[in-house]
Amino acid sequence: GQNIDQPTEMTATEGAIVQINCTYQTSGFNGLFWYQQHAGEAPTFLSYNVLDGLEEKGRFSSFLSRSKGYSYLLLKELQMKDSASYLCAVSRTGGFKTIFGAGTRLFVKA
Amino acid sequence: DTAVSQTPKYLVTQMGNDKSIKCEQNLGHDTMYWYKQDSKKFLKIMFSYNNKELIINETVPNRFSPKSPDKAHLNLHINSLELGDSAVYFCASSQQVREKLFFGSGTQLSVL
Repeated sequence: GQNIDQPTEMTATEGAIVQINCTYQTSGFNGLFWYQQHAGEAPTFLSYNVLDGLEEKGRFSSFLSRSKGYSYLLLKELQMKDSASYLCAVSRTGGFKTIFGAGTRLFVKA
Repeated sequence: DTAVSQTPKYLVTQMGNDKSIKCEQNLGHDTMYWYKQDSKKFLKIMFSYNNKELIINETVPNRFSPKSPDKAHLNLHINSLELGDSAVYFCASSQQVREKLFFGSGTQLSVL
């Protein structure tokens, strides 16, 4: 089976840095996605990691360690508009589906 | 211009009714999906079609029936609606299976 764990909620201050962790257990790991979902809107793609290491994209970076079944999403220079849910999702080599974690709701305060 | 569009955005109906949600993508993608997001915001896959063929059919009541008339469309028909069907239903597409998903804006279904 599959299991994806991430914290339910986090709070951070505008301008700060926040790290959202995700751990997963799965057979036949293919890659790990991060999506952002604002309240009442659709999820939108942020990043995709296949190999170990850090992928940087502007204020957002995503890290993957396949041996540890661990990923994190790093958000720098937080802005109020970053208040949203962040969904960790895993795709497997066997099978055709992407499985989502329950999401981490991030609150950015002034 | 909308990449993945689904209609309606809101659907309020009585228990026992039958309803449909339509989805279309203009991205030229081969794979389309239906996801259900419950009140706890957990996004769960229901179905997936690749080139009009069903490739994923999760443990979903057979009151839910997807139909893909062509690669760009994936509709969801729900018979005998129940209170527990109330959720937001998202259509999505990807170029190939296991690639990044593009989501529609969601259909909020409320069964009274």
